[in-house]
Amino acid sequence: QVQLVQSGAEVKKPGASVKVSCKASGYTFTSYGISWVRQAPGQGLEWMGWISAYNGNTNYAQKLQGRVTMTTDTSTSTAYMELRSLRSDDTAVYYCAREEGYCSSTSCTYWFDPWGQGTLVTVSS
Amino acid sequence: SYVLTQPPSVSVAPGKTARITCGGNNIGSKSVHWYQQKPGQAPVLVIYYDSDRPSGIPERFSGSNSGNTATLTISRVEAGDEADYYCQVWDSSSDHSVVFGGGTKLTVL
Repeated sequence: QVQLVQSGAEVKKPGASVKVSCKASGYTFTSYGISWVRQAPGQGLEWMGWISAYNGNTNYAQKLQGRVTMTTDTSTSTAYMELRSLRSDDTAVYYCAREEGYCSSTSCTYWFDPWGQGTLVTVSS
Repeated sequence: SYVLTQPPSVSVAPGKTARITCGGNNIGSKSVHWYQQKPGQAPVLVIYYDSDRPSGIPERFSGSNSGNTATLTISRVEAGDEADYYCQVWDSSSDHSVVFGGGTKLTVL
């Protein structure tokens, strides 16, 4: 079955960087994009950005531009998300999700299925 | 940027019908997707492309979208449906291409 398995929880100090991995299985990795979504404690979902597993193209949320980098390793079907200059408000559960979509003649739409199990990143001094 | 508005909470008795709304400017012109998230778990897609159900999602879950409101309807609500529900669209006109609603906590009384 289609599955995304993420790396384990991390504790980082302010100013440090974190790199979270997301290993895909059960489908052709390069046929889909991967999005990253985070959720601060008790809060809603925040989209961070997207990477094409086919060609490595990326699209980052403006709020995170300059601090986030998304990459893939097609040899291992793994996606990575690195966030730098961590702050306390970056404390959250980070999810990867396979992006599916459909384009008509006039517009496109994309949704996420499935999601990884989540990785808790705690930023604390 | 595009904004999606959901009620913070909806309550419903078992066996009844729950309706969770997602408001946005002319949202009927976009495709809306819905996710269910239970405590401590990752979100799960329950409706995509306004009204399509992924395999494994009960027929009790349905969706509609028109005008300025999209609606997730859960018929014959069960205790196991208690969760947070999020709507989502892809907005090509926004820097934040993916937009989520703020989420609705469904409580089964």
